[in-house]
This record gives sequence, C-alpha cells and structure tokens, in this order.
Amino acid sequence: GAVVSQHPSRVICKSGTSVKIECRSLDFQATTMFWYRQFPKQSLMLMATSNEGSKATYEQGVEKDKFLINHASLTLSTLTVTSAHPEDSSFYICSARERRASSTDTQYFGPGTRLTVL
Amino acid sequence: GQSLEQPSEVTAVEGAIVQINCTYQTSGFYGLSWYQQHDGGAPTFLSYNGLDGLEETGRFSSFLSRSDSYGYLLLQELQMKDSASYFCAVRFTGGGNKLTFGTGTQLKVEL
Repeated sequence: GAVVSQHPSRVICKSGTSVKIECRSLDFQATTMFWYRQFPKQSLMLMATSNEGSKATYEQGVEKDKFLINHASLTLSTLTVTSAHPEDSSFYICSARERRASSTDTQYFGPGTRLTVL
Repeated sequence: GQSLEQPSEVTAVEGAIVQINCTYQTSGFYGLSWYQQHDGGAPTFLSYNGLDGLEETGRFSSFLSRSDSYGYLLLQELQMKDSASYFCAVRFTGGGNKLTFGTGTQLKVEL
C-alpha cells in the first residue's frame, strides 16, 4: 500500500521557537495533503489542506501565520509551527490523497509527530 | 451543522463480536469510511461504504444506511490486538477532498 512518512517523529522545543515537520508520500504523487492535530483521547481535527503549487486552505480558527504550510512538490508538504507555545503541544498527523481519483476517498496517513513545547 | 457521533468507549471480550455505531447529521456526503488508530500511531484505513448496505473485509464489516443517517463497523472474532480507537469519517459534498472524522470510539478487548 501507499506509504507516507513524517519527520521528525518526536520533537521537544522551548517556548518561542519554530518547529518544522515534513510529510512525504514515498511511492505515489499527492496533489493534496492534509494536516491534522490530535489531542489525547480526542479525534483528528483538520487544520489545513495543502495543495501542490498553491496556497493552503486553512480551517476556521486555525491561524495561518502561526501554522505555515508549504507544498513545494507532489511528494512533500511541510508544516512549520512558528513561535511555539505549550498549548501547541499535540500530535500532528499528515495524510495524502493519491493524485489519481479514487472512489474510496482513502487517505494515507503519516506516523505522526509528537510535539512538546516546554 | 455537520457532525459524526460515536460512543466514546466500548469493552468486549476476546472472541466476541462488537458493533461500533456512527450517527451523523449532514446534508450530503460521498461515502462513509472507517479508520483504526492504535495509541501513538497513525490512522489506518479499514473499510468504505459508498452505497447503502454491508461491506465485508475479513473479520471487519461496515454498514451504511443513508435513510437512517447511520452506519456501523462490525468486528468479529475479537483479538487483543483490536484494542484501539476507531473513527468513522466522511467527505462532505461541497467540502472538497477533506475528510471529517467522527468523535472516535476506544475499543478495549479483554481476556
């Protein structure tokens, strides 16, 4: 099956610093990637939709200047958490949808990045 | 609004059958998907219902009834490794390609 990787898997940073998370589709092209945030024991909340070569579409309530998304190629999207604060500590997960249309709406998820802001 | 509700927790014994329900309020969607997520891991795709009825994939089956605004995931011959969180998800019409996830159900399988 399709594989999506994320790097890093875990990151601990000081308050005020910026953290970049990479999401790569390893064996397929993804025109669309999605970034989710998940707090403990809660569901996945979509933060933004990342489209290759265009600006990301952010969900209501998500600060686009704080969560910078870049989708530079068909296999790579990055999420940068700028000036991170303790309340940004969460599990960040990316997913990718294959370029070819699929009737099953299947998304392939990365393994997630655990961010802890001290 | 558009929401998908699931029971928060379900407990069952090994070898049993368990049903996880997903009820929704939406004006339209393309189909109902189910994902499994183990603690600290990524969600993995389990099943999809584009049409009403039952879809069977090994020990897992999923059902959708659009007229009842309801779907479920059925897990048979439960194993300890099935202990995980399960999420239903839909792609709403007019919502582009994004998936909206249900509230999630934590399944605990006991001996």
